[in-house]
Amino acid sequence: KNQVEQSPQSLIILEGKNCTLQCNYTVSPFSNLRWYKQDTGRGPVSLTIMTFSENTKSNGRYTATLDADTKQSSLHITASQLSDSASYICVVPRVTGGGNKLTFGTGTQLKVEL
Amino acid sequence: DSGVTQTPKHLITATGQRVTLRCSPRSGDLSVYWYQQSLDQGLQFLIQYYNGEERAKGNILERFSAQQFPDLHSELNLSSLELGDSALYFCASSEGLSRGLMNTEAFFGQGTRLTVV
Repeated sequence: KNQVEQSPQSLIILEGKNCTLQCNYTVSPFSNLRWYKQDTGRGPVSLTIMTFSENTKSNGRYTATLDADTKQSSLHITASQLSDSASYICVVPRVTGGGNKLTFGTGTQLKVEL
Repeated sequence: DSGVTQTPKHLITATGQRVTLRCSPRSGDLSVYWYQQSLDQGLQFLIQYYNGEERAKGNILERFSAQQFPDLHSELNLSSLELGDSALYFCASSEGLSRGLMNTEAFFGQGTRLTVV
């Protein structure tokens, strides 16, 4: 079954600390993996897209890693800020009957506190 | 601003009613996706259109239907509404072809919050 699972489900950290979010997927065939940030009540916004051949990609304080062999990805947030409080969603697309279906994980709810 | 416009932003209606949600994709994007996000739940894929044609279908109820018009805007019709249909409905668009180019990014609108009372 094509699935995307994320952990932890929720996380609370202090401002300035680092954290790592995990994503395991079983979607096949695999083409790429995306991390989105979703503020409460808002649409998801892409943070990074990683293709099969990429192991690490950074976007400011966000660094994503991908291990296509173990089908795992992580998102590392450095020096967290209050504005990082959001849901982080791992997304893996796959082709279904001629279309592209984005399979979403349920997300990790991150809260950054003072 | 993602460039994807959804209207209305909020909608309150009674059970049994029918509503239409509208989505205008980014200029040049041919694919439109509809998602449902219930309270504290992940995004659930409903349906995808590419250049006016249905391309992929998720767990969309028979009471729900969608279409994409020649100008590429899309509408999601929800009928015989139930309390459980209350959710955020997101539209996303991408330039992607129906096959290949899976590395293209999907851009999301701000959603329509539907409340069924």
